[in-house]
Amino acid sequence: GIQVEQSPPDLILQEGANSTLRCNFSDSVNNLQWFHQNPWGQLINLFYIPSGTKQNGRLSATTVATERYSLLYISSSQTTDSGVYFCAVEGGSSNTGKLIFGQGTTLQVKP
Amino acid sequence: NAGVTQTPKFRVLKTGQSMTLLCAQDMNHEYMYWYRQDPGMGLRLIHYSVGEGTTAKGEVPDGYNVSRLKKQNFLLGLESAAPSQTSVYFCASSYWDWSSRTEKLFFGSGTQLSVL
Repeated sequence: GIQVEQSPPDLILQEGANSTLRCNFSDSVNNLQWFHQNPWGQLINLFYIPSGTKQNGRLSATTVATERYSLLYISSSQTTDSGVYFCAVEGGSSNTGKLIFGQGTTLQVKP
Repeated sequence: NAGVTQTPKFRVLKTGQSMTLLCAQDMNHEYMYWYRQDPGMGLRLIHYSVGEGTTAKGEVPDGYNVSRLKKQNFLLGLESAAPSQTSVYFCASSYWDWSSRTEKLFFGSGTQLSVL
């Protein structure tokens, strides 16, 4: 099956710094999403981005499907950005939301 | 509008006991999912459903059964719990938003299950 690798596994930032999280996947995808899991365990969908670029406030994401990677950019980080960021993909031609998750990047933003 | 609600939030079982986790959504979504999350790992799909009366296996279905008798409910059953099933279980539902051409996924708050 499709493999998803995220890097770095852990990241510590000072408040105000920028960061880039990477997601590599092993096969073509028709569904790629980024999620944030806050320190209390709640999962929130950030982006649905199987290709192209999207921005939402301080967050933006880019997926280069032909090269099988996606990047999540966090600018001017805040302590509330702390948590785990997951990339998840669905391969093949189906679009049932049957997502395969990476192991995540744990981000800690220090005040 | 409560979104996705999971019950219970916490449960402790002894090896061999059975239990059912309930997931309810009030958003009229067709698709529903059960995931498990183990420490230091991402979520792994157990089973999913693309509509009322349908279920399908995910990545790690062994030891679990599911049912989707009503569109709003998706039940996850453990017939004979094992310590390896100690995990946090998340339910989710999703729909395709044609206006933005995106899939929108909503998660419940999770169930912490310990099997002793």
